[in-house]
Amino acid sequence: DAMVIQNPRYQVTQFGKPVTLSCSQTLNHNVMYWYQQKSSQAPKLLFHYYDKDFNNEADTPDNFQSRRPNTSFCFLDIRSPGLGDAAMYLCATSRGGRLGSYGYTFGSGTRLTVV
Amino acid sequence: AQSVTQLGSHVSVSEGALVLLRCNYSSSVPPYLFWYVQYPNQGLQLLLKYTSAATLVKGINGFEAEFKKSETSFHLTKPSAHMSDAAEYFCAVSARAGGTSYGKLTFGQGTILTVHP
Repeated sequence: DAMVIQNPRYQVTQFGKPVTLSCSQTLNHNVMYWYQQKSSQAPKLLFHYYDKDFNNEADTPDNFQSRRPNTSFCFLDIRSPGLGDAAMYLCATSRGGRLGSYGYTFGSGTRLTVV
Repeated sequence: AQSVTQLGSHVSVSEGALVLLRCNYSSSVPPYLFWYVQYPNQGLQLLLKYTSAATLVKGINGFEAEFKKSETSFHLTKPSAHMSDAAEYFCAVSARAGGTSYGKLTFGQGTILTVHP
């Protein structure tokens, strides 16, 4: 089945130690998104790629970076994780064009713990 | 600008009872509307979506939602709750976009549904 896969499902990292989360998709969707979801909160968009065009949300901290080397893969890099970055990180994809009508396909998420 | 308000952060029903989860939206342009479900430590799964066709939308697992423009609402219902429906539900809005522009999903705060035996 076509899907969005996030690895790892659970990640424990040390305070200040860089960490990378990965997302891959077999849907061949143009757009890939990274959301941060803290406990009992709505997902918050960090940034997205439309093909290779990177779009950062205005309030996304500089500590968060992203790479998309090809259509299938997208990475979230946290350069110096703090305790406040502990959260579920969700990757999602969507078709290009009139995106509003298609909705997103989400991965299962990566639960990040910072110790 | 667009936003979503979900009324009630927690809803509790008995198994077999009606499920009603409320969602009101605000959008400066005609919206697309979605309901997603999230089980613990899982990603979000699309339940249903409104994209300007029929105002009554049927989704998976027996859920449906009705788009009411006059009330700016998109409430989610299910006639008979099942234990497996216990989860968190998110309403989301996306502005319609044409051509090469693209819309972003804005989520509500979520409603946790508890189903009692």
